[in-house]
Amino acid sequence: TQLLEQSPQFLSIQEGENLTVYCNSSSVFSSLQWYRQEPGEGPVLLVTVVTGGEVKKLKRLTFQFGDARKDSSLHITAAQPGDTGLYLCAGGNYGQNFVFGPGTRLSVLP
Amino acid sequence: NAGVTQTPKFQVLKTGQSMTLQCAQDMNHNSMYWYRQDPGMGLRLIYYSASEGTTDKGEVPNGYNVSRLNKREFSLRLESAAPSQTSVYFCASSVLIQNTGTGQPQHFGDGTRLSIL
Repeated sequence: TQLLEQSPQFLSIQEGENLTVYCNSSSVFSSLQWYRQEPGEGPVLLVTVVTGGEVKKLKRLTFQFGDARKDSSLHITAAQPGDTGLYLCAGGNYGQNFVFGPGTRLSVLP
Repeated sequence: NAGVTQTPKFQVLKTGQSMTLQCAQDMNHNSMYWYRQDPGMGLRLIYYSASEGTTDKGEVPNGYNVSRLNKREFSLRLESAAPSQTSVYFCASSVLIQNTGTGQPQHFGDGTRLSIL
């Protein structure tokens, strides 16, 4: 069974701070996705990475896929209250369902 | 552009009652999924339908049944609700499950919050 772990489980920071959250597995994935979920809503895709070592930037968010395709990180620069939410990673392999991590709950205080 | 629509948004049941959660997508996606989300456990797959006419069990199928009514609709039924089924249920869709490895996105509805007393 493929499992994804995320750390930290909870994170509370002040507006303007930088942060990094992690997604780790002992399994290799062909693709890895990051979703953000706001209260009362479903997850929304932020980014997909498919190549080991790949780095993608989305405004203040930087996503990296590990060289071995077993882990990923999400770095947020100068966090804003609008970044508050649950961040989920999901690993995918061809012909298989996605595996979701438990999530990191981020709170950015003004 | 509605995307994935789930009904109802909230429901309270008594132990032993039955109900059906409805899901419809308007993106012409082939694959549809039902997940439950519990605190600290992420999203766990209950059932999925790779394409119209097929359904398969996911990680936590016990106590649930599904019906892929047509390409657009995928329903989840609780035949005899139990308190352990209290959760938030999400329906999702994607173009084709075989493309999971390429990172095609799943599109989620806003969930059904279900409480079993």
